[in-house]
Amino acid sequence: DIQMTQSPSSLSASVGDRVTVTCRASQSISTYLNWYQQKPGKAPKVLIYATSSLQSGVPSRFSGSGSGTDFTLTISSLQPEDFATYYCQQSYSTPYTFGQGTKLKIK
Amino acid sequence: QVQLVQSGAEVKKPGSSVKVSCKASGGMFSNYAISWVRQAPGQGLEWMGGIIPLFGTANYAQKFKGRVTITADESTRTAYMELRSLGSGDTAFYYCARDLRDSSGYNWFDPWGQGTLVTVSS
Repeated sequence: DIQMTQSPSSLSASVGDRVTVTCRASQSISTYLNWYQQKPGKAPKVLIYATSSLQSGVPSRFSGSGSGTDFTLTISSLQPEDFATYYCQQSYSTPYTFGQGTKLKIK
Repeated sequence: QVQLVQSGAEVKKPGSSVKVSCKASGGMFSNYAISWVRQAPGQGLEWMGGIIPLFGTANYAQKFKGRVTITADESTRTAYMELRSLGSGDTAFYYCARDLRDSSGYNWFDPWGQGTLVTVSS
């Protein structure tokens, strides 16, 4: 199975900050990498698919980059509604696997 | 727009089975895979397996093989996940999600069902 490792596990930031979350795969997954946002008590929601494609309706302050084994999710200017947990997920091969999550907290 | 609505919360005894349903409304059903993902309370996400209703053949994570069965009924636009021999470690939210695929071969989960809490307790 492909292991996905996110860093940091948690992050405190302020509204307006630029934030970057990193995801590393245990082997090359090309650009088969998705990012999800999950708020407490809710199902995850896709933000970015195929490393850098923004899902319809997702604000442009979210962006993704990377290839191979190293990927990043960037939020250019944090908004109050962005405080949530973020997960990366590889769709290169089954079993699909997720990172352990990054909890973004208000500073 | 496809919407996925799951069955309600369940409380099960250790050793028993649970079957969770996921009904699709709107959009296409048969041509897209439906995956099942679980999340233990306060923990991360774990893919269990998926099925393309049109073909009816399911693909399972090795961890769950022999203990889980995923099926789909095209006539009712409903997918099912049955998990057997339940233990306390199976207490979790179980989500269904459409496995959306584009022409380049990329796939991602969208939308998700609201989740079904399965509690295993004696």
